[in-house]
Amino acid sequence: NAGVMQNPRHLVRRRGQEARLRCSPMKGHSHVYWYRQLPEEGLKFMVYLQKENIIDESGMPKERFSAEFPKEGPSILRIQQVVRGDSAAYFCASSPLAWPPFTDTQYFGPGTRLTVL
Amino acid sequence: AQTVTQSQPEMSVQEAETVTLSCTYDTSESNYYLFWYKQPPSRQMILVIRQEAYKQQNATENRFSVNFQKAAKSFSLKISDSQLGDTAMYFCAFMKQGGANNLFFGTGTRLTVIP
Repeated sequence: NAGVMQNPRHLVRRRGQEARLRCSPMKGHSHVYWYRQLPEEGLKFMVYLQKENIIDESGMPKERFSAEFPKEGPSILRIQQVVRGDSAAYFCASSPLAWPPFTDTQYFGPGTRLTVL
Repeated sequence: AQTVTQSQPEMSVQEAETVTLSCTYDTSESNYYLFWYKQPPSRQMILVIRQEAYKQQNATENRFSVNFQKAAKSFSLKISDSQLGDTAMYFCAFMKQGGANNLFFGTGTRLTVIP
C-alpha cells in the first residue's frame, strides 16, 4: 500500500510566480490536511479538505493561498505571487476516517520544499 | 486554543541507553489524542506512537513508550535501547477528538544518539 505521495519534492520559484503543490493520499483515505513547516519550527496546520469540500481553512493565509481536493486527482495547494516568506516545507497528511466522533491517525507525505528566490 | 510545549530543544543519549523526551500541553478538552512523530534528516514525518486520552494505560510500541499524566497534562516519550537510527527531531502533537481533527505540534526536540 503506497504511502502519501507529494510532488514535487523540491520547488524553486522566483518572487511573483505561482507554486502548485500536489498531494495524493493513501489508498482508501478521503481526508487530506496541509501543514507548513518554517525552518527550525514545528508544523503548523493550514487546511483540512475532503473530496470536493474545504472543511477547515482556519490556518491558511487569507490572500494568495488556496487549496482544493477534486473528485478525481490529487489535492492541490496553490500559492500565487510567492514571496520569500513562503519558503518552507509543505507537508500533506491523510487519514481514512475523520468524521466526529471518530478521529484517526494522520499519515504524512515526504513534503515539498519550496524555495522562493 | 490548544498549545503544546517541548521544553528540551536538544538532547543526546549514548547508544543502547534510555532517554526521555518531555511534552506538556494545555487544553480545556476532555477527549483528545496525543502523538509523537519523528522527523529524521530525510525530513519525512513518521508516526512513532499514539495515545487516546480516555485510556489510562500508557501506549507502547516496541522500544518506545509514553508516560501519560492526564491531570498534569504531561506526555513524555521514553526510548529504550537507543539506536543510531533514532537520531531525529521528535515532535509531540495534540488532536482534539470530534473537532476539525488538525494536529497541534510542539516545537520539537532534536535527539542525537552517540555511538
